[in-house]
Amino acid sequence: EPEVTQTPSHQVTQMGQEVILRCVPISNHLYFYWYRQILGQKVEFLVSFYNNEISEKSEIFDDQFSVERPDGSNFTLKIRSTKLEDSAMYFCAIQLQEDYEQYFGPGTRLTVT
Amino acid sequence: SQQGEEDPQALSIQEGENATMNCSYKTSINNLQWYRQNSGRGLVHLILIRSNEREKHSGRLRVTLDTSKKSSSLLITASRAADTASYFCATDAAYNTDKLIFGTGTRLQVFP
Repeated sequence: EPEVTQTPSHQVTQMGQEVILRCVPISNHLYFYWYRQILGQKVEFLVSFYNNEISEKSEIFDDQFSVERPDGSNFTLKIRSTKLEDSAMYFCAIQLQEDYEQYFGPGTRLTVT
Repeated sequence: SQQGEEDPQALSIQEGENATMNCSYKTSINNLQWYRQNSGRGLVHLILIRSNEREKHSGRLRVTLDTSKKSSSLLITASRAADTASYFCATDAAYNTDKLIFGTGTRLQVFP
């Protein structure tokens, strides 16, 4: 199973602050994803990223969110102005090929106060 | 609409017993994946079954898929206390997307 690391493991921030969550896939990969899981709820898709551009995004992924690969290996999710309801576990996932397994990182727990 | 729904929502068994969890979905799929999540932790990939497959095994895991009923089951045989976790099914949609849609999960408790 490909290794995916995420940093930080836990981030506490104040409402209105910007946060950047990082994902480092340690393997060759084609597809990147961000998902989130609000405490006690389902895992929800946020965005998929392929060939250095967004391939699909959900309704949750509004203008406050952005993704990029700043150095060709890290994959980041930025939330520009956090809200209380952004508190959740954020998971990065990678997929080696279309229609293949998606492997998830350990997650970043974001707490917005 | 909710794509994945697991049942039961919670399951408690003794070590050594088998655990069966079910998942139903609504749209056509390319594949279905099962994941395990320990409390507050990440999602561990267990198994992927494709829409043209009916059954798949991996160690103590057995997954079935019935596309006519839009349902899947995960069987864990000879359960261990370490199997205690939440189990989720996740489906893609058959049309041009690989995003996963997760079910609500089954919380499995295995007592030693």
